[in-house]
Amino acid sequence: NAGVTQTPKFQVLKTGQSMTLQCAQDMNHNSMYWYRQDPGMGLRLIYYSASEGTTDKGEVPNGYNVSRLNKREFSLRLESAAPSQTSVYFCASSLRDRAGQPQHFGDGTRLSIL
Amino acid sequence: AQTVTQSQPEMSVQEAETVTLSCTYDTSESNYYLFWYKQPPSRQMILVIRQEAYKQQNATENRFSVNFQKAAKSFSLKISDSQLGDTAMYFCAFMGLGGGSQGNLIFGKGTKLSVKP
Repeated sequence: NAGVTQTPKFQVLKTGQSMTLQCAQDMNHNSMYWYRQDPGMGLRLIYYSASEGTTDKGEVPNGYNVSRLNKREFSLRLESAAPSQTSVYFCASSLRDRAGQPQHFGDGTRLSIL
Repeated sequence: AQTVTQSQPEMSVQEAETVTLSCTYDTSESNYYLFWYKQPPSRQMILVIRQEAYKQQNATENRFSVNFQKAAKSFSLKISDSQLGDTAMYFCAFMGLGGGSQGNLIFGKGTKLSVKP
């Protein structure tokens, strides 16, 4: 059971380049999320998709776009990468329509922008 | 807006001893869920334990238990018989059940726990 799969695991970009982080889940979850993790900051929500066909901004959406491609896949795009976007990115999924269901996380993508 | 505070950036404990990690939160909601997640050096986010605010009984999972004080808005994690594999970052998280953001997690900044042999 793969759970939540993120690709790539590591990436180095130059300032101004674009990049799409991919996420797929095989748990038939309806909701998916993108977070960034910075030292001393915990995890902060970038965007989420409560259900297929919907996306909403989280706490730190600036500089990012998302696409909920289908029920399984949720991608995060950096159109013009900036050094401030150097971070570890996590994708997660959950059964949001059942109260209190935990989120399940992928292994993360470490992104460095030079 | 809800907030989650973990006041201990780093802690250490000797193997086989007990350690308690602190978490406080702020909310105006009456029902919600609280979680502890563990992040070992491998970077995975692993669910440790979950507590529903309406349940007065403290949740337990093997060596992990919580002390949930709803009136004080406190949710501490106790790890008994600490093992070297417990070395990790621990994150406290809040999930509200009201409004459009229901189901979203709000994380604290984490506590780095080191278990020493």
